[in-house]
Amino acid sequence: EVQLLESGGGLEQPGGSLRLSCAASGFAFSSFAMSWVRLAPGKGLEWVSSLSDSGGSTYYADSVKGRFTISRDNSKNTLYLQMNRLSGEDTAAYYCARAASGSFDYWGQGTLVTVSS
Amino acid sequence: DIVLTQSPGTLSLSPGERATLSCRASQSVTSSYLAWYQQKAGQAPRLLIYVASIRATGIPDRFSGSGSGTDFTLTINSLEPEDCAVYYCQHFGRLWTFGQGTKVEIK
Repeated sequence: EVQLLESGGGLEQPGGSLRLSCAASGFAFSSFAMSWVRLAPGKGLEWVSSLSDSGGSTYYADSVKGRFTISRDNSKNTLYLQMNRLSGEDTAAYYCARAASGSFDYWGQGTLVTVSS
Repeated sequence: DIVLTQSPGTLSLSPGERATLSCRASQSVTSSYLAWYQQKAGQAPRLLIYVASIRATGIPDRFSGSGSGTDFTLTINSLEPEDCAVYYCQHFGRLWTFGQGTKVEIK
């Protein structure tokens, strides 16, 4: 069974940093691209970032480019999202998702990030 | 960048009725990379349809997708109370894009 379990969310002040993790199991993690998608309060889903299976190619939404860094450790079956210079607009539930042929076929339950002073 | 516009914003229907959700792209897109998701309150999104019309594993056949070019449709036949959710279309081109969502309410 494919499982994705996010962690690392919490309350952070504006300008601060957080690192999210996503532990994957039940599939060949190193064979799949992975992504982060977020859902802000009262808004719709927003794609945040994606990473190729090897980690060699990264992609970012304009809203996070230069502030967020996606990475993975295939030896630990874990995906990461380093979030710097956080602002209130980054407040959201962050979901880890497996990317397959342009869509996201499996999702974690999400981790909540709140940016507030 | 491609913009996906979903309509209507909210759909309120009775159990047993048919729901028709629209997703319009700002320019022609390849059907191979058009997907639909369901997100219930407090839950993670779930993939319903990929390649515009292929149901994902475990998705009931009352859900169907169609369309090409700039106009795509998600149809839910014979609505059930459990179908109450927000539905999103999504496209992968240069990057990944979601529509703003359609909320389906069950009367």
